[in-house]
Amino acid sequence: SAVISQKPSRDICQRGTSLTIQCQVDSQVTMMFWYRQQPGQSLTLIATANQGSEATYESGFVIDKFPISRPNLTFSTLTVSNMSPEDSSIYLCSVAGGNWETQYFGPGTRLLVL
Amino acid sequence: SQQGEEDPQALSIQEGENATMNCSYKTSINNLQWYRQNSGRGLVHLILIRSNEREKHSGRLRVTLDTSKKSSSLLITASRAADTASYFCATDRDSGYALNFGKGTSLLVTP
Repeated sequence: SAVISQKPSRDICQRGTSLTIQCQVDSQVTMMFWYRQQPGQSLTLIATANQGSEATYESGFVIDKFPISRPNLTFSTLTVSNMSPEDSSIYLCSVAGGNWETQYFGPGTRLLVL
Repeated sequence: SQQGEEDPQALSIQEGENATMNCSYKTSINNLQWYRQNSGRGLVHLILIRSNEREKHSGRLRVTLDTSKKSSSLLITASRAADTASYFCATDRDSGYALNFGKGTSLLVTP
């Protein structure tokens, strides 16, 4: 299994600003993902964070709005840019790969945009 | 994109009772997983069932999978107040390890 931490755990931001969320894993992992969970909703995949190359975004999500970095096999960041109240969600990173069949999730970052 | 649909959306039971949640999906899968989320926090992996398995147990959890009907069920026996949470099924995608999540069932267990 993997131990995943996210920073910050929660934040309240003003519209028009940007927030960078960090995801740290306690071991090297092949795959890292970022999901969004809007209030009362299920999880939606934003993108796959690729180590050493540009992230792979899902339909409806673009790099200008959600730039992602993955400088190594244990760390990734997601930036929510030019925020609006519609970006208020829980953002979760997850990891998978290797001998794992399951996917492990971080504790999430709860974001409120005013 | 979501491909799973859970029912019921919400379930309220008393401690000691059993809770059953169902999940349906649309495309073929390699495996199906169930996760629990307490009060908007991170997801905790509960159990994984492979497409060639029909039933799996883990403690008080029992999962079934019917690939012909593209459905799965999660049974929690002898429920406890601590089981109060949202439960999501998730299926693997055609490519990669990313998951498609269902809409979830909100379970409330009252003492």
